Amino acid sequence: QSVLTQPPSVSGAPGQGVTISCSGSTSNIGAGYDVHWYQQLPGTAPKLLIYANSNRPSGVPDRFSGSKSGTSASLAITGLQAEDEGDYYCHSYDGSLRGYVFGTGTKVTVL
Amino acid sequence: EVQLVESGGDLVQPGGSLRLSCAASGFTFSSHYMHWVRQAPGKGLVWVSRISDDGTGTMYTDSVKGRFTISRDNAKNTLYLQMNSLRAEDTAFYYCARETGGHHDDFDYWGQGTLVTVSS
Repeated sequence: QSVLTQPPSVSGAPGQGVTISCSGSTSNIGAGYDVHWYQQLPGTAPKLLIYANSNRPSGVPDRFSGSKSGTSASLAITGLQAEDEGDYYCHSYDGSLRGYVFGTGTKVTVL
Repeated sequence: EVQLVESGGDLVQPGGSLRLSCAASGFTFSSHYMHWVRQAPGKGLVWVSRISDDGTGTMYTDSVKGRFTISRDNAKNTLYLQMNSLRAEDTAFYYCARETGGHHDDFDYWGQGTLVTVSS
């Protein structure tokens, strides 16, 4: 089981905003390791959405933003669009496990 | 254009072996750490293994230690995952991913995945 916990699902109407939390511990997020976020649309490979806690790769809309505080991180999506429907995963390094870990994943539904 | 193309996925019996390949193009392969990530059908992402840019350093998740071996051939721009003693719980799509580098350990490019099915 993953050491990074996310809500199983979040939903919002088009144009609204949602926030996805990623809860870790003092051996991963709280130890200062970076948190990254990935978007996985149905039937496709994951795509990097946010790197190093709050940075967007080129081409990612500014509707997506990331933050980190203590042992948790968050991904915010504003102005929801139908094309945002999919699964979202946080990702970090765990010093106790000496390996990388992904969050449990959150399904975003646009109502 | 960066491309990662996995191959080698197949149906294999429990206890069997399989070798996955990931052909890289569009970037200097020998300059990047590489990873394997798997995803059981309908389930979440699980990190499997990492190899350093020169191939001398490797890491594995506990569930595959002693059974899987990651390697690379920088002359052929290819990443490998040798999987032995396969179990039903190893059934998954296997993705190769490039680590960005430069003090950033995010995975900025992913392949399309190859399906490994372990079943009798």
